[in-house]
Amino acid sequence: EDQVTQSPEALRLQEGESSSLNCSYTVSGLRGLFWYRQDPGKGPEFLFTLYSAGEEKEKERLKATLTKKESFLHITAPKPEDSATYLCAVQGYAYSGAGSYQLTFGKGTKLSVIP
Amino acid sequence: DTAVSQTPKYLVTQMGNDKSIKCEQNLGHDTMYWYKQDSKKFLKIMFSYNNKELIINETVPNRFSPKSPDKAHLNLHINSLELGDSAVYFCASSQIPSNSPLHFGNGTRLTVT
Repeated sequence: EDQVTQSPEALRLQEGESSSLNCSYTVSGLRGLFWYRQDPGKGPEFLFTLYSAGEEKEKERLKATLTKKESFLHITAPKPEDSATYLCAVQGYAYSGAGSYQLTFGKGTKLSVIP
Repeated sequence: DTAVSQTPKYLVTQMGNDKSIKCEQNLGHDTMYWYKQDSKKFLKIMFSYNNKELIINETVPNRFSPKSPDKAHLNLHINSLELGDSAVYFCASSQIPSNSPLHFGNGTRLTVT
């Protein structure tokens, strides 16, 4: 069974204080690893997809990296508007039907950036 | 324009009632989903559906049933609501290939009293 563990559960940063969020996973062959951002009262918003170890993606102050066992979401000089819960999800090769493969989500890291 | 929209945003009802949540996507995606986010914040798949196939997570009670009038809509009907059904329900859609990202609606918070 695929598993995703995110750490820490919560992270408080001062504005401008860079840090990283961790997503450790076990999966029977990786089709893709996804990062999402979820604001209170909203649905998850897609950030990145990583497909293979060594791959990196960047978007503004966020950079996602991938190894064979984990992914990191690096946040450089965060701003208060980066406060949100960040979700990691992995998709393995277990076929679910209806054109989709099993997607397993982590519990998320709640990031708070203090001005 | 909202890509994936679901209504209502809040739903408060009593045990034993039947209710429906509506979902529409204007992205032209082929596959739609229902997810449940419980109090522990885990997102769990309930259903996957395209115009050919419906896949039900075996842990979902048969009181829950998805209904799709067309490719852009996937509604969720719930019979005989129970206290444990209280959660946030998210509709999502994705394009083929299947490792394309999901696009989520903003959720329906269901409270059963």
